[in-house]
Amino acid sequence: SQKIEQNSEALNIQEGKTATLTCNYTNYSPAYLQWYRQDPGRGPVFLLLIRENEKEKRKERLKVTFDTTLKQSLFHITASQPADSATYLCALEADKLIFGTGTRLQVFP
Amino acid sequence: DGGITQSPKYLFRKEGQNVTLSCEQNLNHDAMYWYRQDPGQGLRLIYYSQIVNDFQKGDIAEGYSVSREKKESFPLTVTSAQKNPTAFYLCASSSTGERETQYFGPGTRLLVL
Repeated sequence: SQKIEQNSEALNIQEGKTATLTCNYTNYSPAYLQWYRQDPGRGPVFLLLIRENEKEKRKERLKVTFDTTLKQSLFHITASQPADSATYLCALEADKLIFGTGTRLQVFP
Repeated sequence: DGGITQSPKYLFRKEGQNVTLSCEQNLNHDAMYWYRQDPGQGLRLIYYSQIVNDFQKGDIAEGYSVSREKKESFPLTVTSAQKNPTAFYLCASSSTGERETQYFGPGTRLLVL
C-alpha cells in the first residue's frame, strides 16, 4: 500500500544544534516533494520544494535532500532557534499532494 | 495584503444541521482546495477546484459539498450526512503557473454541540 511516514514522536533539540527531520514514502514515484511548517491552530506555510532530479536544495538555514532510491527526504535546520519550534509536514506529488502527519520540533534554550 | 481568509475561526454545529465554511482568496489563483486535519493524521483532501464552475471530489468527499461560482471564493458545506465533522478545516489555493505550491488559510475549527 502507499504510505508517507514522518516520525510521530516530537524531536527535542538544544538551541544552536542542527535539527534533522525524516520523511519516508513507499509505493509512490513523486516528481517533487515539499516541506511545510505549521504552528498550532494555524495553516501550513510552504518552505521548500525539491524535484526528483535534485539531490539537495537550500534556503537560508534550511536544507532538504531527496533520495529517490531510498524513497526518503531529509529536512535540516541548522543553528536552530526556539522560534523554529513548530510541526513540519512533508508532502509529495501523486496527481495531488499527499501530506505526512508531521513531526513536532521543539527547540529549547 | 494578498492572502487567503477563512471564516469563522470557530464554528459549532448542532445535530442535523448543515454549516458552511467560508474561504476567500485575493491571490488570483485558479485552483482551490479543502482539507480536513485530525490529530495524528495528515491533511486529507475533501474537494478541489481548478477552475470556476468546476470541482472534483477528493479522498473524503462524503458528507460535504462545495461550489465555485467565483474565482475568489470556494465555500464548503458540512452536511448532516457527515457523522464525524469535528476537525480543523483548511482551505488552500495555488496558481496555474506554480501549481505545486499551495497557500493555506488560517483554518476553521468545527465542533459539534
